[in-house]
Amino acid sequence: EAGVTQSPTHLIKTRGQQATLRCSPISGHTSVYWYQQALGLGLQFLLWYDEGEERNRGNFPPRFSGRQFPNYSSELNVNALELEDSALYLCASRREPSYGYTFGSGTRLTVV
Amino acid sequence: AQTVTQSQPEMSVQEAETVTLSCTYDTSESDYYLFWYKQPPSRQMILVIRQEAYKQQNATENRFSVNFQKAAKSFSLKISDSQLGDAAMYFCAYRSALTGANSKLTFGKGITLSVRP
Repeated sequence: EAGVTQSPTHLIKTRGQQATLRCSPISGHTSVYWYQQALGLGLQFLLWYDEGEERNRGNFPPRFSGRQFPNYSSELNVNALELEDSALYLCASRREPSYGYTFGSGTRLTVV
Repeated sequence: AQTVTQSQPEMSVQEAETVTLSCTYDTSESDYYLFWYKQPPSRQMILVIRQEAYKQQNATENRFSVNFQKAAKSFSLKISDSQLGDAAMYFCAYRSALTGANSKLTFGKGITLSVRP
């Protein structure tokens, strides 16, 4: 089966712009999780979507938002980009009630 | 809130030797899952091994095994017969067994493992 796919692989934006990151989960997986991996900070939980609804969000400002589409793919939007938003953004999916998470290869966002 | 601590930022091991990566966690829950993930330079997180807290037996996957000490809230990963391909960043992670909002993974900061030929 195809794994979790993320696009784009790399993204360079200017401070103040908006970034859109995309994630396609494994077929049949209804939950999508977004994580931010900034240098030296490990993986920080951003958002969880399930069945098209936002179920939980981490300690991030409202300019981090997203959505999940009927086909369970997901989009992460980051508005008013700041330099410290530069990080690797990882998406993971899982099928309920399995506890296995499969991660994508991430999108490297650089804000200049 | 649950926390996961990996206090060693870096470790090195000689090829074919054994290395142990440490992880401690803090939780008030009695039922949960613990994971070790590997992140090679390709960036993709790969599940190495998982442990269910209600199981006393330590999980084993080929050359990878864990030492799960529930009372001490410790969850270390042992890699036997280390190979060059084991060089990567390793993350310890926790997930509540409860469904709903607690289903997210909580990660430690990771440890960089290098393997010397």
